[in-house]
Amino acid sequence: GAVVSQHPSRVICKSGTSVKIECRSLDFQATTMFWYRQFPKQSLMLMATSNEGSKATYEQGVEKDKFLINHASLTLSTLTVTSAHPEDSSFYICSARILYEQYFGPGTRLTVT
Amino acid sequence: AQSVTQPDIHITVSEGASLELRCNYSYGATPYLFWYVQSPGQGLQLLLKYFSGDTLVQGIKGFEAEFKRSQSSFNLRKPSVHWSDAAEYFCAVGVLNNNAGNMLTFGGGTRLMVKP
Repeated sequence: GAVVSQHPSRVICKSGTSVKIECRSLDFQATTMFWYRQFPKQSLMLMATSNEGSKATYEQGVEKDKFLINHASLTLSTLTVTSAHPEDSSFYICSARILYEQYFGPGTRLTVT
Repeated sequence: AQSVTQPDIHITVSEGASLELRCNYSYGATPYLFWYVQSPGQGLQLLLKYFSGDTLVQGIKGFEAEFKRSQSSFNLRKPSVHWSDAAEYFCAVGVLNNNAGNMLTFGGGTRLMVKP
């Protein structure tokens, strides 16, 4: 139980384009999902908290207009990287909350060329 | 604000040897504490967690961790390491947030390498 999927697992896009990453809770409903960013050989940094039916809460320093988050249902949150640049290349991981625990997706490797 | 420190960036142990990964936290109240493992290019898998009660917690894959309030530590241990344990290990502290439940702050991670 408590499986979280992400799609796609890898994506390569050109600079200036937008990319959408999906995070799904497969066997449970999640009112809260989280989006993290991880640079190579570094820890996870929380980007934003996504609550179903309301606006996401972004961490300090994260551009909300660049990283659009939509949590339209209890099983799906999406992160759209708009006008992507090479510095947006990173590993993006989502998690879904059940009570006091978070269950993590497998991550999405984004490469912007 | 809460913080987590993992003093060891890299650790190398021989297969079959014992392992201890250190984790120190800073938080004003009783924390929720977690250890996660991450294989290359993968998401995070929960090894174990401490919420309350017995300070020695058992997890999956033969791991255990001990919460020591006086030392603000939550070290991860395993009596005999297997080659498949080579991975990145993250300690995290959870802070209750009314809207989001448990917000996690991660340590910098410890990369474990296992020698044959």
